[in-house]
Amino acid sequence: DGGITQSPKYLFRKEGQNVTLSCEQNLNHDAMYWYRQDPGQGLRLIYYSQIVNDFQKGDIAEGYSVSREKKESFPLTVTSAQKNPTAFYLCASSASGVYNEQFFGPGTRLTVL
Amino acid sequence: AQKITQTQPGMFVQEKEAVTLDCTYDTSDQSYGLFWYKQPSSGEMIFLIYQGSYDEQNATEGRYSLNFQKARKSANLVISASQLGDSAMYFCAMLRFDGGTSYGKLTFGQGTILTVHP
Repeated sequence: DGGITQSPKYLFRKEGQNVTLSCEQNLNHDAMYWYRQDPGQGLRLIYYSQIVNDFQKGDIAEGYSVSREKKESFPLTVTSAQKNPTAFYLCASSASGVYNEQFFGPGTRLTVL
Repeated sequence: AQKITQTQPGMFVQEKEAVTLDCTYDTSDQSYGLFWYKQPSSGEMIFLIYQGSYDEQNATEGRYSLNFQKARKSANLVISASQLGDSAMYFCAMLRFDGGTSYGKLTFGQGTILTVHP
């Protein structure tokens, strides 16, 4: 079945450590996105990539980094520079076209101890 | 800057009744898209319905319809015949196109928690 997988589902890290969240899609989509969701809030765009080896900052990119070496993969690294990293992280992908619904993965819940 | 406003933090509806979830948006773009997503307690985001800014007809998808009033910049979601499984968080989102490309970035509202009572 086609879809988006994110791993792990739950992630705990100590303050000051970098951590990488995985996102893989087999939908053959060109564009991929990372969003952050805080409790009771909407999603905010962290980074997005429209093509391999290219990505752009979203609205809240500070303290995060990404790479896009393969079309299927778009990992997100939460660095120690991110002041409040505890949140729910959602990855999405979309095809090109005027109507480009974004398909979402199941999310990773990151908790900083 | 684009902005989505959902003024109802929580809504309650009786099973089998209809409910309207409000969404207003602010944009200076002529071309944009409006989405509604459902987020159950599991956290996944489920696409419900889409309305393009140039679509003259209101979008419908099964029990979901979008009441699009362009002049008022509103895009309310109507759920008919509510079911217990409709209890979830609902997000309105606007797609803004990135520099003439065919890829867009979504701006989300704060969400509305819908509770369906038996």
